[in-house]
Amino acid sequence: GAVVSQHPSWVICKSGTSVKIECRSLDFQATTMFWYRQFPKQSLMLMATSNEGSKATYEQGVEKDKFLINHASLTLSTLTVTSAHPEDSSFYICSAPQDSGRRDTQYFGPGTRLTVL
Amino acid sequence: GEDVEQSLFLSVREGDSSVINCTYTDSSSTYLYWYKQEPGAGLQLLTYIFSNMDMKQDQRLTVLLNKKDKHLSLRIADTQTGDSAIYFCAESVRYNTDKLIFGTGTRLQVFP
Repeated sequence: GAVVSQHPSWVICKSGTSVKIECRSLDFQATTMFWYRQFPKQSLMLMATSNEGSKATYEQGVEKDKFLINHASLTLSTLTVTSAHPEDSSFYICSAPQDSGRRDTQYFGPGTRLTVL
Repeated sequence: GEDVEQSLFLSVREGDSSVINCTYTDSSSTYLYWYKQEPGAGLQLLTYIFSNMDMKQDQRLTVLLNKKDKHLSLRIADTQTGDSAIYFCAESVRYNTDKLIFGTGTRLQVFP
């Protein structure tokens, strides 16, 4: 089946630095990708919709200047956490629907664990 | 707005049935989903149900939807230790059926 990859799998950074997370659809093109954040007690929160060739759409309460999203090609979306702080430490997951007409073709990446010291 | 709730934990004995429950608030959701999350792996779609259905069965999995009460359940028959994972229900939003709102997740622990 289709695969979505994320890179890196985990990253540790110092407070104040920026971190870029990549999400790739490996064998299909995705005009839309989604970014989620998973908190320690499991809940998965939708952060934004990444749109190829246009601006991302952010959910209410998500700072767009803090979490920069770029969907530069049909197979790559990046999430940059700018000026990261310890409260940004989390598990970030992306997803990409392969075929919007089908309910069973949205694929999720394995996630990226970010730890900010 | 959309809000999806689940109980946090469920513990069952191997061979028994597991029932994981979910409540949602958006009555206009067209699709409801169940996903499984195991450590180190991406979320795996288990099954989904269209909002005009009451029940869907797929091998050991049975999904029940009570649209009036906005209640969704997943029953796993003959639960195995390999079923231990976090289970998420999710609803699609009305204006973009690819956009999903996830529940809080239920950690299922299966013991021998």
